[in-house]
Amino acid sequence: SAVISQKPSRDICQRGTSLTIQCQVDSQVTMMFWYRQQPGQSLTLIATANQGSEATYESGFVIDKFPISRPNLTFSTLTVSNLSPEDSSIYLCSAGVWRNTEAFFGQGTRLTVV
Amino acid sequence: AQSVTQLDSQVPVFEEAPVELRCNYSSSVSVYLFWYVQYPNQGLQLLLKYLSGSTLVESINGFEAEFNKSQTSFHLRKPSVHISDTAEYFCAVSDGNFNKFYFGSGTKLNVKP
Repeated sequence: SAVISQKPSRDICQRGTSLTIQCQVDSQVTMMFWYRQQPGQSLTLIATANQGSEATYESGFVIDKFPISRPNLTFSTLTVSNLSPEDSSIYLCSAGVWRNTEAFFGQGTRLTVV
Repeated sequence: AQSVTQLDSQVPVFEEAPVELRCNYSSSVSVYLFWYVQYPNQGLQLLLKYLSGSTLVESINGFEAEFNKSQTSFHLRKPSVHISDTAEYFCAVSDGNFNKFYFGSGTKLNVKP
């Protein structure tokens, strides 16, 4: 299994600012992903974080709004830029571990934009 | 592309009653199916998964799900629920990259005494 540490666990931000979320995995990781869970809705995949190269974004998500870094195998960051109240969500980091057919999830970051 | 539909957003049930949470999927390729559970104020945890073989899969806490290819369903069932089963349940599909999932909208199971 794997333990995924995500921080901050929650934050309240002013509109127009940015928030960077960090994700650290304690195991040998194959892939890392970022999801968004809007209030009352399901988890939506934002992007796949690729080590040493640009992230692969899902339809509807763009790099300018959600820049992602993955400088090494076990660490990634997601920045939510130019915040608006519509960005208020829970953001989750997920990782796949070598020889494991399930994904592991962090506890999430609850973002409130005021 | 893959998609998952969970028709029931909320399911209230009394303790010790049976429950079924419905999940239907669509995919143009072979799929692997999962149920994740999110207890209040906790992260997502894998409940059970279907990869291949027997179409009936079970979890350690009494839940089971059956993969039905003809009906493109993967319904979750438990013959007798407990208060502690109160949580939100997410059905998810993967296209073979086991780590990348597409989730349904979730079903909130509320077990009442």
